[in-house]
Amino acid sequence: SQQGEEDPQALSIQEGENATMNCSYKTSINNLQWYRQNSGRGLVHLILIRSNEREKHSGRLRVTLDTSKKSSSLLITASRAADTASYFCATAPLTGGFKTIFGAGTRLFVKA
Amino acid sequence: DTAVSQTPKYLVTQMGNDKSIKCEQNLGHDTMYWYKQDSKKFLKIMFSYNNKELIINETVPNRFSPKSPDKAHLNLHINSLELGDSAVYFCASSHRLAGNTDTQYFGPGTRLTVL
Repeated sequence: SQQGEEDPQALSIQEGENATMNCSYKTSINNLQWYRQNSGRGLVHLILIRSNEREKHSGRLRVTLDTSKKSSSLLITASRAADTASYFCATAPLTGGFKTIFGAGTRLFVKA
Repeated sequence: DTAVSQTPKYLVTQMGNDKSIKCEQNLGHDTMYWYKQDSKKFLKIMFSYNNKELIINETVPNRFSPKSPDKAHLNLHINSLELGDSAVYFCASSHRLAGNTDTQYFGPGTRLTVL
């Protein structure tokens, strides 16, 4: 399986609810990033968390990182219809040279 | 102004043809990338250039040849197109290469369909 796997693959919630997406990875990392991709568009960077950080906030986004479990979660609070998109985690492996490795993403659908 | 632009947005072509996709960034970044996103949305790095120098070259058929005339441009030329090349190709750029700590800025993608 791939470095950086998101779970669930798809998530459907009502507007106003919170959405939680998880990412697991296999090797030690420098940092982990979350990106959003709207349908038919390129990826947009949301947040970066370094390997020595455990939690980070940005507006309605909260990211956690557990390096012992090799996992991260992205929480979107008070979701809006405009949050409908695919969300990808991307890891920078310690021994991966200069590569950033993306997972297959979680498709989030927020119903108005 | 668009930060990372790609042309064309859509490309439909026959098997065996040769085609190019162009990418330009106006962010002043040193590093540029090409990614391939398949039908399952999995995004995979193909190439990376830092200041016109190739630094990442994943296991990509040699039918794919990147060219960086200057650090603001990274073009992708594909020879003898095959059905399996159908995908969305994304160009991206970042300020620096060091440590992968930099945010990558993505272009809008080029949807390539090989018939």
